[in-house]
Parts: sequence; C-alpha cells; structure tokens
Amino acid sequence: RKEVEQDPGPFNVPEGATVAFNCTYSNSASQSFFWYRQDCRKEPKLLMSVYSSGNEDGRFTAQLNRASQYISLLIRDSKLSDSATYLCVVNEGIWGGGKLIFGQGTELSVKP
Amino acid sequence: EAQVTQNPRYLITVTGKKLTVTCSQNMNHEYMSWYRQDPGLGLRQIYYSMNVEVTDKGDVPEGYKVSRKEKRNFPLILESPSPNQTSLYFCASRGQGDQPQHFGDGTRLSIL
Repeated sequence: RKEVEQDPGPFNVPEGATVAFNCTYSNSASQSFFWYRQDCRKEPKLLMSVYSSGNEDGRFTAQLNRASQYISLLIRDSKLSDSATYLCVVNEGIWGGGKLIFGQGTELSVKP
Repeated sequence: EAQVTQNPRYLITVTGKKLTVTCSQNMNHEYMSWYRQDPGLGLRQIYYSMNVEVTDKGDVPEGYKVSRKEKRNFPLILESPSPNQTSLYFCASRGQGDQPQHFGDGTRLSIL
C-alpha cells in the first residue's frame, strides 16, 4: 500500500463545476497535511494547509478526517486557471524524521 | 525575497561525467530535500537533511550524494551519471514543525 494515495486522474470538468479530490494516508502518526498545486513542468506550490477542523480559502475547501486517515480538497466554481496537478502531502512528524510524503497527484483539466 | 535557488536550470551531459546541482535557500530553514520527478511516478525523495551535517536517504538515493556543510546550501552530486538519472529535479526547504515546503524552480537533467 502506498503511503499517500490519491484519486487517479485526469479529471476533465467544465468551467463552473465543483470537483472533489480525495487522498488517504497510511501512517496514523502523521502530523500535518497540505495540498500543493503543480503546473506543467514547474515547481509545486503550496495551495493550502489542511487543519483538523477543516478550512476554506475562497473557492477551495480542505477537510481532514484523522480517524479514517483521509484528506479532501473541494474546488467550487472551477476556473480555466485551476487546470493543474494537485498533490496531497503528508508530514510524518518527528517520528518520521519530519519527512514529507507526496501523493502522485491528480490532474485537473477545466474546459470552457 | 524568500527563495530556493537551484543551478543549473537545464543541463545535457554524458554518462560518467561528474556533475553537481547546487541548491541554496535564504530562509534559514533547517530542512532541505532533493526530489526527482518522472512521468507516472510523481515526486520521489532522493535525500534530505534535517540540519547542518545531518543527512539521510530518501526513497531513491542510489547514484546520488549530498552534503550539508552550511545551513543554506544543499548540493546534489552525481559522481557517475547514467541515462536513468535523466529527470526533473527539485530542491526544497522548510522550517521546523508544520511549516510548508518551498521549492526551487527545478533542474532538468539529460544524461546521454
């Protein structure tokens, strides 16, 4: 089982659609969680951290379920500029040497 | 401006010719990492460092060396590059705790 697993892509959606990405992680001792966005052949950039109580940033909502070891990202009212690969990232914490584990990413393509 | 700087951005070289990719960060971060990214395999960690003179293997360390003599620098060394090391490489750094990771712009290596 992979340490961090994401929905396989690609997701092809029309502008204005709502799209949800899911991610599961295997290490129950993981301490912090993030969503990154990566445009083609460019460096990953932080989209948002994921907090236990869930958090929202404009059209983006992230949720964490520690009991199920599950993270989600919801994008509402998709824009063409949202087209990218979305990476789920887990920090295994001090017991894991502070190592960040990346999911393989889910590609999103928003069409006009 | 806070940043992670890698050099070179692009390099084409031949099998067996030693090369070094430099990485420098100006954020006084403790953690630094090197990743390679290949189609269908996502980001894979090569080596990471938790602080000066502290380095550890990631998931794919074979054929690579690193050093962390100073906090700001974390060079990646390929002593005898081979074609299977042709890839897109990212250096990254972050502070302690739940801090997100900052990536360099990437280095595209082609080993012929």
